[in-house]
Amino acid sequence: QKEVEQNSGPLSVPEGAIASLNCTYSDRGSQSFFWYRQYSGKSPELIMSIYSNGDKEDGRFTAQLNKASQYVSLLIRDSQPSDSATYLCAVNNGAGNEKLTFGTGTRLTIIP
Amino acid sequence: DAMVIQNPRYQVTQFGKPVTLSCSQTLNHNVMYWYQQKSSQAPKLLFHYYDKDFNNEADTPDNFQSRRPNTSFCFLDIRSPGLGDAAMYLCATSRDGVERTDTQYFGPGTRLTVL
Repeated sequence: QKEVEQNSGPLSVPEGAIASLNCTYSDRGSQSFFWYRQYSGKSPELIMSIYSNGDKEDGRFTAQLNKASQYVSLLIRDSQPSDSATYLCAVNNGAGNEKLTFGTGTRLTIIP
Repeated sequence: DAMVIQNPRYQVTQFGKPVTLSCSQTLNHNVMYWYQQKSSQAPKLLFHYYDKDFNNEADTPDNFQSRRPNTSFCFLDIRSPGLGDAAMYLCATSRDGVERTDTQYFGPGTRLTVL
């Protein structure tokens, strides 16, 4: 059973601080990793994708991947109230497999 | 803008009354997916089409069917909705599912209520 695990939260972070969201996965063959943001009652929106070990930065967001530890994280710098949402980690276990495995998400609340 | 569109955004049906949800895309993507998402849960894949090839998940109830008449459109049919089928139904697309950089893009979802 391929699994993606996330701390469900809620995670509360003061405005302006760094929010750190974590995700572990069980399939060592996984090659593609995605973070989606989902506001309450809305659909998932792609925030970041990462495919290689290390860090990938996009604005206030940084994705980090460590395949040896089977761990992927999302850092949000200078957190804003508009970042309050559920963040879903999704993993694709290999090229040619068009399906994603989703975690249950971490609910993030930014406190003004 | 290229996008994934779902209609209706909100659907209310009666117990046992068939309902059809629609999804269209202007991205010209080969793969289209249907997910069911209940409150505080991960999206659950029901089935997907790779071009015209239908791929059903093993645990998707027979009550759920899908049609893809052309590249742009895909439909989700719920033949006899039960109270447990009330959920958000999400349509997503991806270019081809072959490259590891392939990404799924979601439509806005249809919120289904069963009375």
